[in-house]
Amino acid sequence: NAGVTQTPKFRVLKTGQSMTLLCAQDMNHEYMYWYRQDPGMGLRLIHYSVGEGTTAKGEVPDGYNVSRLKKQNFLLGLESAAPSQTSVYFCASSLQGVEAFFGQGTRLTVV
Amino acid sequence: GQQVMQIPQYQHVQEGEDFTTYCNSSTTLSNIQWYKQRPGGHPVFLIQLVKSGEVKKQKRLTFQFGEAKKNSSLHITATQTTDVGTYFCAGRRSNDYKLSFGAGTTVTVRA
Repeated sequence: NAGVTQTPKFRVLKTGQSMTLLCAQDMNHEYMYWYRQDPGMGLRLIHYSVGEGTTAKGEVPDGYNVSRLKKQNFLLGLESAAPSQTSVYFCASSLQGVEAFFGQGTRLTVV
Repeated sequence: GQQVMQIPQYQHVQEGEDFTTYCNSSTTLSNIQWYKQRPGGHPVFLIQLVKSGEVKKQKRLTFQFGEAKKNSSLHITATQTTDVGTYFCAGRRSNDYKLSFGAGTTVTVRA
């Protein structure tokens, strides 16, 4: 049982480049979340989804887009990366908002 | 901004001592969850509190949810080196699918 899998685990981008982070879960969870973690800031919610085909903005959505075309996948896109987006990104899924299961994280550096 | 605040941000504890970390929300929460993140790892669910005044224990960890459902605490007794990590609370408001995290309390233990 893989749980929540994030791809890639590490990435270095140049300013202005684009990329997509993939989150896949095999637990048939309805809710999925994208967070970023920065020192001293905890986990800040970027976007979330409560079901296939639905997405909503979290606390810090600017500069990011998401899609949930399939229930098991939640994609996070950066259209034009900026150094301020250097962070560790975590995806999580949960069954109706109870216990959230997190992926291993993606460490992104924008230079 | 974040809807839940955590204090203290850092907790340095002598092995064997007790400590408490606190979580406060400006709004009433439908439930509160606690997570632990080991250094270099991802957050792992510890517990969820739902009822006003609820108290739950897990071995040396005691979790409380305030009567007004706006605050919570985690008390650890006889701290061990295995307790090292960052403890996060996460709150949800009624009719809100967002799971918002506090900034966390990072615990270090002196042997």
